Amino acid sequence: QQPVQSPQAVILREGEDAVINCSSSKALYSVHWYRQKHGEAPVFLMILLKGGEQKGHEKISASFNEKKQQSSLYLTASQLSYSGTYFCGTEIGGIQGGSEKLVFGKGTKLTVNP
Amino acid sequence: ETGVTQTPRHLVMGMTNKKSLKCEQHLGHNAMYWYKQSAKKPLELMFVYSLEERVENNSVPSRFSPECPNSSHLFLHLHTLQPEDSALYLCASSPEKLAALNTGELFFGEGSRLTVL
Repeated sequence: QQPVQSPQAVILREGEDAVINCSSSKALYSVHWYRQKHGEAPVFLMILLKGGEQKGHEKISASFNEKKQQSSLYLTASQLSYSGTYFCGTEIGGIQGGSEKLVFGKGTKLTVNP
Repeated sequence: ETGVTQTPRHLVMGMTNKKSLKCEQHLGHNAMYWYKQSAKKPLELMFVYSLEERVENNSVPSRFSPECPNSSHLFLHLHTLQPEDSALYLCASSPEKLAALNTGELFFGEGSRLTVL
């Protein structure tokens, strides 16, 4: 039931782009993205509900393909501040919407170098 | 500063000790959560409280005992832990239990780093 994130780690130079994927073996109701910097609390980035919508947060955007049961996080023109570990959390579908349970992936460690 | 404060930030304890982790949220939220974060593993949900009532216990061993005396405070009482319980314990809160939210946002504390010797 735990979502699978890929890649496990990625190293970028400032200004480069990256894509982080999150896939599930179950039908998804929502996908949540968080970023955690070393020694800090995870911070909410965005949530995507089923319907294939795409959302953006500055130069970070995400898509959700419910048919493929996967979400992708796009980081454009990366900045040094983007470094951290990115987690996706997935909520599988229930009879009346969501299951009310969020299960996180293992995370993708992103390092942005000057 | 997320509005969720955890103490202590670091804790070292022996297997026979009894200790407690404390979490306090200043956001007026009604739901609070305990998560365990181990190296190379995903965040694991341990307990969920909604309006001071435990609504989820994710098959957590009884050596972990949560307590929620009011909607602002959450404790995790620790007793006869094992070395494999060493991890970062994260507290989080949300305005309502997850499914009732429009945004689904969890507000995390910075965690309590626990080492069991």
